Formats: sequence, C-alpha cells, structure tokens
Amino acid sequence: EPEVTQTPSHQVTQMGQEVILRCVPISNHLYFYWYRQILGQKVEFLVSFYNNEISEKSEIFDDQFSVERPDGSNFTLKIRSTKLEDSAMYFCASSAQGRGNQPQHFGDGTRLSIL
Amino acid sequence: GDSVTQMEGPVTLSEEAFLTINCTYTATGYPSLFWYVQYPGEGLQLLLKATKADDKGSNKGFEATYRKETTSFHLEKGSVQVSDSAVYFCALTEGTGGFKTIFGAGTRLFVKA
Repeated sequence: EPEVTQTPSHQVTQMGQEVILRCVPISNHLYFYWYRQILGQKVEFLVSFYNNEISEKSEIFDDQFSVERPDGSNFTLKIRSTKLEDSAMYFCASSAQGRGNQPQHFGDGTRLSIL
Repeated sequence: GDSVTQMEGPVTLSEEAFLTINCTYTATGYPSLFWYVQYPGEGLQLLLKATKADDKGSNKGFEATYRKETTSFHLEKGSVQVSDSAVYFCALTEGTGGFKTIFGAGTRLFVKA
C-alpha cells in the first residue's frame, strides 16, 4: 500500500539554525499538510497546501515557517530560525481530495529536537 | 471553533476485556469523524471513519458509530489484545471542503496479558 514517507526520522539542531523537514506524499495525492505534536500534547494543524499554494494555515504557522513543493514528489517544511519551543514531532500528510470525508494519510513523523 | 474531546488515559485493561474510549465533538458544520491509532514509535494510522450521521465505521474489530444527537463517536472493541496497546486519537474534518483535521488529545491504552 502506498505511504507517505518523511525524512529524517530524527533531526537535532541548534537554536537559531534553519531546518528543512522533507516529505514524499502519496504519488497521486493533490493535497498536502503539516501537523506537529509537542511531547505529551495533541496533534495540531500547521498548514495545508494545494495547487502550489497554501490553502489554510494556523496561527502557529508564523513567518518563520514556510512550505514548498520543489519538484513533483517532495513537500518540505522549513523553519527559518528555530526556537526551543519548536521541538516536537512533525507529521506530513496527504489526501487525494480536499473534501472532509477523505481521510488524510500520515507519515511516521520527524522528531525535531532543538538544543 | 471545532473541537474534539476524548477521555483521558491511560486506560489499562486485561486481554480480552471490553474497550470503550469516549469521544465527543463540537462542530459548526457536518464533520466527518475518524479514529487514528499511533503504535509506539510509529506515525498516525487511520483506524476507521464515518462520514455522516448513524454511519458505523469498523476495522480490526474496532467500531464507532457517528451519533449526531449526542455529538459522539465512541470507540469500542469487544475483546482487546496486547497488540492493541497504542495511543488512540479521535478526530474530525469539516464536511464542507475542510482542509484540516482536528484531533483530540489522544488516549493511551495499555493491554496486559
């Protein structure tokens, strides 16, 4: 069964550094998402992306965050200047359609640790 | 805004016990409802879904029924196994072109042999 893949599985970065998290969505999917889960807390929506532009973003997704689909297969989340509070598990997801009744398929996540 | 509330864990059961994890939601539109499961060290996997009132989602012995009158989507399994130990997340997406999934806080289940 096709799956969403994320790399790396664990990223350790110094505070203030830039980090790029990578995702390869399922190949025929058109809608892409990033979520994060701070340790012990709930999974929170960050951003959705369709047709090469952001569809919706949460208040968490401030100017230090950006997303990009640099080619036909990758979907990236960049954090420009990391802060300690960015430490979390980041999940990428994709769906074939943007309708509410279509489930999103999640990757295994990237654990980001900011030192 | 829309939200999901699920029972706090951890829930500890013996093998073959009956499982219920309560979930209620608040939504302005007509959401679709989901249960996701996260096994230790892994990502989020879709367990089951229901897209309209009175729908029952089922998978791997788990069931949940979309109850619009009580705004609930409780997860049940008749006989749990050790391998069911995981964190279970109730979630919703809005039914009118929603682009995001809203998750509950998650309920950790431990099943003892």
